[in-house]
Amino acid sequence: DAKTTQPNSMESNEEEPVHLPCNHSTISGTDYIHWYRQLPSQGPEYVIHGLTSNVNNRMASLAIAEDRKSSTLILHRATLRDAAVYYCILIIDSNYQLIWGAGTKLIIKP
Amino acid sequence: DSGVTQTPKHLITATGQRVTLRCSPRSGDLSVYWYQQSLDQGLQFLIQYYNGEERAKGNILERFSAQQFPDLHSELNLSSLELGDSALYFCASSVDLASEQFFGPGTRLTVL
Repeated sequence: DAKTTQPNSMESNEEEPVHLPCNHSTISGTDYIHWYRQLPSQGPEYVIHGLTSNVNNRMASLAIAEDRKSSTLILHRATLRDAAVYYCILIIDSNYQLIWGAGTKLIIKP
Repeated sequence: DSGVTQTPKHLITATGQRVTLRCSPRSGDLSVYWYQQSLDQGLQFLIQYYNGEERAKGNILERFSAQQFPDLHSELNLSSLELGDSALYFCASSVDLASEQFFGPGTRLTVL
């Protein structure tokens, strides 16, 4: 069965880069990797997604391993407002199943 | 504001009862998703609809059912409710099947 694995929690200092890993070793060639985050008492919000190449947007960067079995969400300069639970999701191309990881709680220290 | 609306915001009911949760997607979005989030847990994907048709099913119990109507709004029906069904239920919408999802504020269901 497809699954994604993430660390339960990570800590980082404010204004430093943060690297959030995700393992998705069961990924197939056309499955997309999405990242969402959930701020306290809010619904999840989209962060970034990719297929094979590394991706950048105004919120973050996504680095995808060459074998696609893992990916890393990079927040270049974390702020206190980035404290949230970050979810790594696989979207299975063959049947549109969404495989959500358990999420990583990111704690930002001032 | 994501543009996705969910009603009601809160719902308190008793075991054995049936409830209906409603979701209106963003204008132009054809795909609707339902998720369950129990206290301090991650999100469990329940079901996805695209333009009125069921497209993907996750960990949805047989006591739960959903549908998407011609105007693209969706309803999630939960029946024979149990204490363990108490959770936040999120609806999300997207333009198509694999695009960015926009989440509603959620409906908090409490089963007593």
